[in-house]
Amino acid sequence: NAGVMQNPRHLVRRRGQEARLRCSPMKGHSHVYWYRQLPEEGLKFMVYLQKENIIDESGMPKERFSAEFPKEGPSILRIQQVVRGDSAAYFCASSQRQGSYNEQFFGPGTRLTVL
Amino acid sequence: DQQVKQNSPSLSVQEGRISILNCDYTNSMFDYFLWYKKYPAEGPTFLISISSIKDKNEDGRFTVFLNKSAKHLSLHIVPSQPGDSAVYFCAASGPQGGSEKLVFGKGTKLTVNP
Repeated sequence: NAGVMQNPRHLVRRRGQEARLRCSPMKGHSHVYWYRQLPEEGLKFMVYLQKENIIDESGMPKERFSAEFPKEGPSILRIQQVVRGDSAAYFCASSQRQGSYNEQFFGPGTRLTVL
Repeated sequence: DQQVKQNSPSLSVQEGRISILNCDYTNSMFDYFLWYKKYPAEGPTFLISISSIKDKNEDGRFTVFLNKSAKHLSLHIVPSQPGDSAVYFCAASGPQGGSEKLVFGKGTKLTVNP
């Protein structure tokens, strides 16, 4: 009964490189959310996806960031041309249903360090 | 604009005593509230939730109280145990059917001393 899986757990990139973060939701969950946590801060919503659809991307920076949740395979958060300010912990969460007071279950996170 | 506020960055209590963690919110459209517990280098773990139609929800040692008129909720842990030492995040969502995202506070670090 695996929980939400994220990989890699740690990722180091140099400025200007690309970062790809992967998230596999819990079995039976079709809703995926990405959050970012900066040091000493709470988690901030980035994007909400269902299979093959972006439902809410109101928290995504306008440039360099994109997300997808294909029909097959994990959800991907992609950051192009990373900058030092992108260094943070990125958490993925999944839920079973939409609305109706859904609990979101979180993965262990990917810690991105930009040198 | 911090819509969910946890004004105490840290709290220290003795083992066996009650821990009370507080959370305030400003958005009256929120109708679902959750508490998460987080250890270092791990993801948040869901603890307990409450919908706006209730004022109390209990699960074992954990009880969440909601005061809608004051836009305030609290998490009570009784009795506190050393393993409860972690950062606790309050989160809110809503309105249902309108927004799925969780809005988090900055967290309160709880230390339970043996």
